[in-house]
Amino acid sequence: AQSVTQLGSHVSVSEGALVLLRCNYSSSVPPYLFWYVQYPNQGLQLLLKYTTGATLVKGINGFEAEFKKSETSFHLTKPSAHMSDAAEYFCAVASSGGYQKVTFGTGTKLQVIP
Amino acid sequence: DAGITQSPRHKVTETGTPVTLRCHQTENHRYMYWYRQDPGHGLRLIHYSYGVKDTDKGEVSDGYSVSRSKTEDFLLTLESATSSQTSVYFCAIRSGGDTGELFFGEGSRLTVL
Repeated sequence: AQSVTQLGSHVSVSEGALVLLRCNYSSSVPPYLFWYVQYPNQGLQLLLKYTTGATLVKGINGFEAEFKKSETSFHLTKPSAHMSDAAEYFCAVASSGGYQKVTFGTGTKLQVIP
Repeated sequence: DAGITQSPRHKVTETGTPVTLRCHQTENHRYMYWYRQDPGHGLRLIHYSYGVKDTDKGEVSDGYSVSRSKTEDFLLTLESATSSQTSVYFCAIRSGGDTGELFFGEGSRLTVL
């Protein structure tokens, strides 16, 4: 079985401040990990993903995430928040091998304060 | 653009009526999924398909059925809609390769009165 826990359903940061959205996962096999972003009234779009190799992955819009196996974490960061980053962010896990069921976390809404 | 179209985008219906949501893709992907999104629950998998006429249940499949008679279309049916099925429904396809990346449609907002 696999699962995802996102700490904090709402996070507020000031414009220009560091963004840190937390994600911990559980998986019985080596995982593939994803962050998706959802803007209001839209579907989800991929922000970044980790499959194998380098544990620090970079995504679109200046976001990055680091896979830490020992901590079973995949936290999302951005050095400087922009107003356009206000959205809901979802962490997801898929098993590496065989059929890949994708399990999503409950989401974190990011508010950026001017 | 992954070429996913959901219809209808918005629907209001009454308890006990049947509802069918359609997901259409233009890129011939094998895997297709139906998720529902509810506040506090994130996205939960309803059903998925791994080929024509090949479907399986997800974690919240009760009250839903699906059909896939051709590669490009994946239908989600609520045989008798209930208020607990008021939600936003997303169709997704899995990209080629082995990494599980999903592409989503824009969603269908269903309200059951």
